Amino acid sequence: NAGVMQNPRHLVRRRGQEARLRCSPMKGHSHVYWYRQLPEEGLKFMVYLQKENIIDESGMPKERFSAEFPKEGPSILRIQQVVRGDSAAYFCASSSVPQETQYFGPGTRLLVL
Amino acid sequence: GESVGLHLPTLSVQEGDNSIINCAYSNSASDYFIWYKQESGKGPQFIIDIRSNMDKRQGQRVTVLLNKTVKHLSLQIAATQPGDSAVYFCAENKGSARQLTFGSGTQLTVLP
Repeated sequence: NAGVMQNPRHLVRRRGQEARLRCSPMKGHSHVYWYRQLPEEGLKFMVYLQKENIIDESGMPKERFSAEFPKEGPSILRIQQVVRGDSAAYFCASSSVPQETQYFGPGTRLLVL
Repeated sequence: GESVGLHLPTLSVQEGDNSIINCAYSNSASDYFIWYKQESGKGPQFIIDIRSNMDKRQGQRVTVLLNKTVKHLSLQIAATQPGDSAVYFCAENKGSARQLTFGSGTQLTVLP
């Protein structure tokens, strides 16, 4: 009964590099959500995806950030040309249907040097 | 220059006592509310949820109360244990929107 899986758990990048964060939803879940958490803050919504579709990206920065959820394989959150302000914990959640309980993964902690 | 950090509200309780964590939500259109527990270095863990057509819901050692009149949500933990020490977040789902909106969190510390 695997839960939501994320990798890597920790990622260190230098300014200007690319960061790729992966999320595999719970078995049977086809709805994936990405959130970002800064220290001592709550989680902030970034994007909501279903297989092969971005449904809501209202929380995504307009530049450098992109997300996908292909037909096969995990969902990917990609951050191009990372800056120090991108340092945060990035969490993925999944649900079986929209507006039902979202279950979270362990997160990827990104540190930009 | 000086950096200012955000400080979470804190609650300290004696082991065995009951804990009450409060949350005010913003949108009267929200119809689904969830409490999550987050331990250091981990992802949020689902505790309990409640829909807007209910005032109260009970789980194992936890109860969530919803007061729609004043847009207030509370989480009650009975017989608090050391393993309950964590940050607790309330989250709301606004109508047709899919994303959750999280509160700022409360740090619960259980004292021996």
